[in-house]
Amino acid sequence: GENVEQHPSTLSVQEGDSAVIKCTYSDSASNYFPWYKQELGKRPQLIIDIRSNVGEKKDQRIAVTLNKTAKHFSLHITETQPEDSAVYFCAAISNTGKLIFGQGTTLQVKP
Amino acid sequence: ETGVTQSPTHLIKTRGQQVTLRCSSQSGHNTVSWYQQALGQGPQFIFQYYREEENGRGNFPPRFSGLQFPNYSSELNVNALELDDSALYLCASSSLSSGYYNEQFFGPGTRLTVL
Repeated sequence: GENVEQHPSTLSVQEGDSAVIKCTYSDSASNYFPWYKQELGKRPQLIIDIRSNVGEKKDQRIAVTLNKTAKHFSLHITETQPEDSAVYFCAAISNTGKLIFGQGTTLQVKP
Repeated sequence: ETGVTQSPTHLIKTRGQQVTLRCSSQSGHNTVSWYQQALGQGPQFIFQYYREEENGRGNFPPRFSGLQFPNYSSELNVNALELDDSALYLCASSSLSSGYYNEQFFGPGTRLTVL
């Protein structure tokens, strides 16, 4: 069935370092890959997304890469700041519109 | 903040009861998806509504049902509540056009506690 695996489950970095979160999806028909940031007690917020016809997308300190052949996609955060601390979810959407989430990565940025 | 709203914010029910949760989608969006997020886990897809019709369903029993109205707002109904139904229920608004699913924007969620 459709599945998204996300690693690592927790990530601790020093302020200013980079953070990388990786996901693997199973449905080869998936064509849209969003990343969400969820702070404690709040809604998931879309931070960046990528479509299957693009290999990389960047928005300031955040970038996402997609390898369709390997069914891998990754989130890269550079120059991390304490306010980047949150739970990050990757997701993949199939051509039926079903959004499948990874298990989440708790990112802690130490000042 | 997104233009997606949900009500109520919090709800406490007992086992066996029924509950209705509501979601107003963002202006211009025609699709609403519902998710269940248990503590410490990622959101799980319940179902999606597009133009008042169910347009996909996840692995949830039939006691989870929904509706979408002509203004694209939506309801999630859960019958015969069980303790495991305690979770944050999120709705997400998006638009489906030319066969492409676009960004989904989440509402603030309804925290349901079943005692």
